[in-house]
Amino acid sequence: EPEVTQTPSHQVTQMGQEVILRCVPISNHLYFYWYRQILGQKVEFLVSFYNNEISEKSEIFDDQFSVERPDGSNFTLKIRSTKLEDSAMYFCASSDHSGNTIYFGEGSWLTVV
Amino acid sequence: EDQVTQSPEALRLQEGESSSLNCSYTVSGLRGLFWYRQDPGKGPEFLFTLYSAGEEKEKERLKATLTKKESFLHITAPKPEDSATYLCAVGGSSNTGKLIFGQGTTLQVKP
Repeated sequence: EPEVTQTPSHQVTQMGQEVILRCVPISNHLYFYWYRQILGQKVEFLVSFYNNEISEKSEIFDDQFSVERPDGSNFTLKIRSTKLEDSAMYFCASSDHSGNTIYFGEGSWLTVV
Repeated sequence: EDQVTQSPEALRLQEGESSSLNCSYTVSGLRGLFWYRQDPGKGPEFLFTLYSAGEEKEKERLKATLTKKESFLHITAPKPEDSATYLCAVGGSSNTGKLIFGQGTTLQVKP
């Protein structure tokens, strides 16, 4: 079964440092997403990306966050200057043109110290 | 504002003891109601998408149903390997694919 892959699985970073989380969506998918889950809380939407541009973003996705599809396979989330409250599990997801089935990766656990 | 509430928060069952999980939602224009399974430290694993009231879908011991205000995930004769957190999410009228998640129901099935 095709899957969304994410790297790294776990990253520890100092407050104020830049972090890039990487994702390889399912190959024929057209819609890409980032979600996050703070420990013990709900999964929260961050951003959706289609046709090389952001189609929707949440209030969480402020100027410190950016996304990019640098080539035909990777999809990245950059946090410019990390804060303690950015510590969370970050999930990448993708779906085909219908958007009817959204598949998630295993997540990247970010710890900001 | 789109909202999803799941109940109960936690459920303990004996192996073979059937039960149901509830997902109540309010959304302006339902594009789809999604069920996921999440194991500790893992990403949500897709189970079902339901689109309209009256629709039902089944997978092994799981059956999902949908009304205009709620969805139920029925678990028939559960086994210990069904232990996980079950997440409900709604896609609203925007065509961006954004999902709004509930807080989940953590199911523990004891042998």
